Amino acid sequence: DAGVIQSPRHEVTEMGQEVTLRCKPISGHNSLFWYRQTMMRGLELLIYFNNNVPIDDSGMPEDRFSAKMPNASFSTLKIQPSEPRDSAVYFCASSLRGLAGNLDSTDTQYFGPGTRLTVL
Amino acid sequence: AQSVTQPDIHITVSEGASLELRCNYSYGATPYLFWYVQSPGQGLQLLLKYFSGDTLVQGIKGFEAEFKRSQSSFNLRKPSVHWSDAAEYFCAVGEQGKLSFGAGTTVTVRA
Repeated sequence: DAGVIQSPRHEVTEMGQEVTLRCKPISGHNSLFWYRQTMMRGLELLIYFNNNVPIDDSGMPEDRFSAKMPNASFSTLKIQPSEPRDSAVYFCASSLRGLAGNLDSTDTQYFGPGTRLTVL
Repeated sequence: AQSVTQPDIHITVSEGASLELRCNYSYGATPYLFWYVQSPGQGLQLLLKYFSGDTLVQGIKGFEAEFKRSQSSFNLRKPSVHWSDAAEYFCAVGEQGKLSFGAGTTVTVRA
């Protein structure tokens, strides 16, 4: 049973370049989350989708960051242009959100192995 | 808004000794609480979760956690640690499908 798949696992790029991170959630899950982990700020939620629709992007740092989910089995997080302060580990997670109506329910999130991004 | 505090940044414990990691949360309603573990270079793995019911929750790898509403705590315990338990541990509280994580506690296991 495949878990959340992320690619690439490591990315080294130069400042100003475009970076695209990819995520394949667990089949059947309807919610997808992008997190960033740094020593200084810990784990931060960047954006999350429910049924392919962005629900909350308040954690996206700035306009250089964008995320898409064109279908239920694929999402991308893009940084353009990249800066050294974007260096971090980016995690994707997915969950099976319960039926609508219980807005306080939080379902278990399953995390991918992460993408370690280094911007020189 | 919810928040999570893990007071201990780093804990060192001897192999075979007991372990307790502290977690305090701030949340107005009934919290959904989680403990995750992250081994070096890996993603986060769920250890256990509390949604409702019995306040003592059993998880994987011999871990358990106890929800104490009066203390706003959800401490993680293991009676006897193994060298493989060396990792970083995160407590999280959920709200409307989102998780807020504590800063994490790094556990070092000495022989």
